[in-house]
Amino acid sequence: GDSVTQMEGPVTLSEEACLTINCTYTATGYPSLFWYVQYPGEGLQLLLKATKADDKGSNKGFEATYRKETTSFHLEKGSVQVSDSAVYFCALTGEYGNKLVFGAGTILRVKS
Amino acid sequence: DVKVTQSSRYLVKRTGEKVFLECVQDMDHENMFWYRQDPGLGLRLIYFSYDVKMKEKGDIPEGYSVSREKKERFSLILESASTNQTSMYLCASSFSELAKNIQYFGAGTRLSVL
Repeated sequence: GDSVTQMEGPVTLSEEACLTINCTYTATGYPSLFWYVQYPGEGLQLLLKATKADDKGSNKGFEATYRKETTSFHLEKGSVQVSDSAVYFCALTGEYGNKLVFGAGTILRVKS
Repeated sequence: DVKVTQSSRYLVKRTGEKVFLECVQDMDHENMFWYRQDPGLGLRLIYFSYDVKMKEKGDIPEGYSVSREKKERFSLILESASTNQTSMYLCASSFSELAKNIQYFGAGTRLSVL
């Protein structure tokens, strides 16, 4: 079945450092790919998405590119802020469905 | 703004009790979902519903049931709560149309079963 693997955390960075959180997936066909973020005490909210190969999703300075050849969707940000501290989830939906399959989540801690 | 509201943020129940978790959405979404979130396991789908009175099992339905009598409301029921059901429960909703099927989440209910 479909699955998502993302790097284990926690990831601890200093403010203004570069961020990469790796995400790879296994799926049949052409899934849509998502990054969700969960701030402390809140539910998940969509950060960005990409629906086909080579699409780049971006939002709030975060970017991720749908790479079909490497089945990856790595999350990147050039300069993190303390307010980016959260749990980040990579997820996919199958080509014909709308059920989300999540990775285990990566905790990001940004220190000032 | 889409709003998905879960009735309780925190619940403490005893083993064997029947527990109801309620979720309401205000965007006329066809789909509604219940997940549980556990550290290191991400979110796992318990049940989902794509229409009123319709339901489908997710990946971990054992020990749970659901009810969807109205489009905006989706209830998760623990028939006889057990300690291994201590977890964070998240409700979500979305449109059916694939191009608009972003899921919107509630704030979660943290359930402790003692």
